[in-house]
Amino acid sequence: DAGITQSPRHKVTETGTPVTLRCHQTENHRYMYWYRQDPGHGLRLIHYSYGVKDTDKGEVSDGYSVSRSKTEDFLLTLESATSSQTSVYFCAISPTRLGQGTQHFGDGTRLSIL
Amino acid sequence: ILNVEQSPQSLHVQEGDSTNFTCSFPSSNFYALHWYRWETAKSPEALFVMTLNGDEKKKGRISATLNTKEGYSYLYIKGSQPEDSATYLCASLNTGNQFYFGTGTSLTVIP
Repeated sequence: DAGITQSPRHKVTETGTPVTLRCHQTENHRYMYWYRQDPGHGLRLIHYSYGVKDTDKGEVSDGYSVSRSKTEDFLLTLESATSSQTSVYFCAISPTRLGQGTQHFGDGTRLSIL
Repeated sequence: ILNVEQSPQSLHVQEGDSTNFTCSFPSSNFYALHWYRWETAKSPEALFVMTLNGDEKKKGRISATLNTKEGYSYLYIKGSQPEDSATYLCASLNTGNQFYFGTGTSLTVIP
């Protein structure tokens, strides 16, 4: 399995609080991605990174920010969490740019916002 | 939005049966098509990435074909086994760098 670690694996928090999810990789892949998975929607891309300090928006980026200060870490932040952001969040990595090569996924973070 | 649709949404087959399902995507500005297998309580696992019209890929009993002109891909499983039970996802990338997943086909193989 690709060396991808997501933390935390589970989190319950309240509306309005900030939340940061971390994705850590040991594969030295250039590209990293954050997805959310909701019933009826499949996986939807939130943001992705194509290098240190280089990020771009995906399909559902509103309400989320990301940062990548090191190759191995990609952080997803919900500045003020809302109940609509309750979801399962997956990090993925790939050596090639978005969609051109296979992505390897982490085990997911289940986030509940009450 | 790039509409990627998968059918059927779910299906049940008997062990030993062969099965197939469909991924439809916009054919204009197509760049690549992905297939992933996603078992319950695990993370998605890459199966294939396909780019060329007429391309066929195979991995064990699983194979996939691609028709970029009409915008569809088929995934075939030969001689289904209970361990094939999973959700199979496809995702399409266009030349505008839009990458969208379908909602998946849930396969249950009955022993």
